[in-house]
Amino acid sequence: TQLLEQSPQFLSIQEGENLTVYCNSSSVFSSLQWYRQEPGEGPVLLVTVVTGGEVKKLKRLTFQFGDARKDSSLHITAAQPGDTGLYLCAGGEMNTGFQKLVFGTGTRLLVSP
Amino acid sequence: DSGVTQTPKHLITATGQRVTLRCSPRSGDLSVYWYQQSLDQGLQFLIQYYNGEERAKGNILERFSAQQFPDLHSELNLSSLELGDSALYFCASTKGQGSNYGYTFGSGTRLTVV
Repeated sequence: TQLLEQSPQFLSIQEGENLTVYCNSSSVFSSLQWYRQEPGEGPVLLVTVVTGGEVKKLKRLTFQFGDARKDSSLHITAAQPGDTGLYLCAGGEMNTGFQKLVFGTGTRLLVSP
Repeated sequence: DSGVTQTPKHLITATGQRVTLRCSPRSGDLSVYWYQQSLDQGLQFLIQYYNGEERAKGNILERFSAQQFPDLHSELNLSSLELGDSALYFCASTKGQGSNYGYTFGSGTRLTVV
């Protein structure tokens, strides 16, 4: 099974600051997804990127898929308390006929007012 | 509401017991995936079903089993429970078999084994 390491594990910042979360692997993925999970709930899909080098923007969130499709980053501009949560990257495994997602280790973000 | 329904939301049971977790996928979705989430292991893939057939297996213990029924709902059976099985169990669904379009997760079942 391919592994995805996220960094940092924890991030505590003030409202208005910028931040970047990294998701790295030594393996190639067919796609890379980012989810946000809040306490007591399941992960909610934020974005899917499928092409190496692809950049997607969702309001204040910018997602990038590495050229070699082994890594990804999530950048949040002017963070708000509503951005607080557990951010998970997930990669689609390429070596199985029926793809499954492998989840990263997670980054817990706390944005204080 | 994501459209994926999981029951029960909470379950407390004793070691050695057996429990069944239920998942109804989003309308129109044929694939169901089960994941286990614990503090030290993160989200671990257990098993996938597509239209009633098992398609992929992950780190699922032999004490655990699952199935998907003709109406596409799925059940995860956990037997001979141990303290270490305490975790959140999530079900997710997708229309097809691939992962490129993202999973829709349910709210999970929190299992506590005492």
